Parts: sequence; C-alpha cells; structure tokens
Amino acid sequence: AQSVTQLGSHVSVSEGALVLLRCNYSSSVPPYLFWYVQYPNQGLQLLLKYTSAATLVKGINGFEAEFKKSETSFHLTKPSAHMSDAAEYFCAVSDRGSGTYKYIFGTGTRLKVLA
Amino acid sequence: EPEVTQTPSHQVTQMGQEVILRCVPISNHLYFYWYRQILGQKVEFLVSFYNNEISEKSEIFDDQFSVERPDGSNFTLKIRSTKLEDSAMYFCASRASSTGELFFGEGSRLTVL
Repeated sequence: AQSVTQLGSHVSVSEGALVLLRCNYSSSVPPYLFWYVQYPNQGLQLLLKYTSAATLVKGINGFEAEFKKSETSFHLTKPSAHMSDAAEYFCAVSDRGSGTYKYIFGTGTRLKVLA
Repeated sequence: EPEVTQTPSHQVTQMGQEVILRCVPISNHLYFYWYRQILGQKVEFLVSFYNNEISEKSEIFDDQFSVERPDGSNFTLKIRSTKLEDSAMYFCASRASSTGELFFGEGSRLTVL
C-alpha cells in the first residue's frame, strides 16, 4: 500500500531563508504525489503535483518539488520564505493500488516563518 | 472556476444527535470522497463513492456513518449518533475521472458537545 512520511512536524525558518519540507513515499507502483497547503481554519489548497511527467514540478506561490525515485522523496522547497508562507503543509500520494485512487496524506508539517 | 462547496461551514451539536453534512461536487465529476481532520492532526480518508455506491471505506467509517447522493448535485455525509470524538473538520472532494485531480471543498467543522 502507498504511504507518505513527513519528517519534522514543525519547521521554523527566517524570512528570506530557504524552505525545505521533507516528504518520503512508499509505493509499489509509480506514484502520483501532491503537496497541499492549509492556512488556519481553511481548506486544502493544492500547491503542486507530480504525475510522472517532469521530475521537477513548479507550483504556486514560488514553491517547487523534485521527485527523486532513487531516494523515494518528494521534498518541497522555496528559495526565500515569506511571512505569508506560514501554514500547515501536507504531502499526499494517490493510492493507485486501491482502485479508488484515494489520496493518502502525511501527518503534516507546520511551517513557522520568523521575522 | 468551478469548486466544491460544503455546508454548513460550522455546526455545533449535542452528543447523540444526528448530523448531515452537505457537499455539492463540481458538476461533471463522478467520483466523490469524504475526509476527516481532527484538530491538529492528519487528513484521514473516510469513504469514496462512485456510481451510486461506496467503492471503498476506511475503518473509521463504521455503522454510524452513511453517505448518499440524493439527487444529481448533492453528496451527503450522515452521522447517526454523534460522539465527542466525531468533532473534526470534514472535507468533501470530487474528481472527474478515477485518476484525475481531486478537488477539495473548504470543509465543515463539526463540534460535538
């Protein structure tokens, strides 16, 4: 079965610093991977997705992620953090083995941006 | 841009009461899902629905839960007799095809007292 692991439940960075949020996946088939952002008391907004095309995926708000099969990783990065990036970030994998292709989410990483 | 809409945005109920959460998926979508997020925790899959029947459900989705598509537009989640631990944000999602992108609603926050 597919799964994702997010290392670090809380990450703090200074404004202007690099953001790196880690996600590792486990999948018996080529995965479809996603990053979502959730601002306080709001829903889930798709940041970017990987569906077996280019391994470097660019998303909204300056975020990007690189699919690395050898490392089974799909880490999210942003070169320069902004105060407005403070939120919870979820990595997800589409469960292509189940037939329903439901998304399975990681436990989330709360990003704090320090002034 | 088409979107998934959910009502109510917040509902407070007494333990043991029945609750119905409503969702209007994107109009040409055929696959529907409910997810749950207990405060501060991960987003958990509850159930998927296709062709007027449940296609998969998690262990969370016990006999207290049911889903229905009563007409051509609504998709509902019913909790028959709410418990304190049902307090959570419930997200509806839909997609046009089995492998297409999943679109999420803004969520319905349920508080059980």
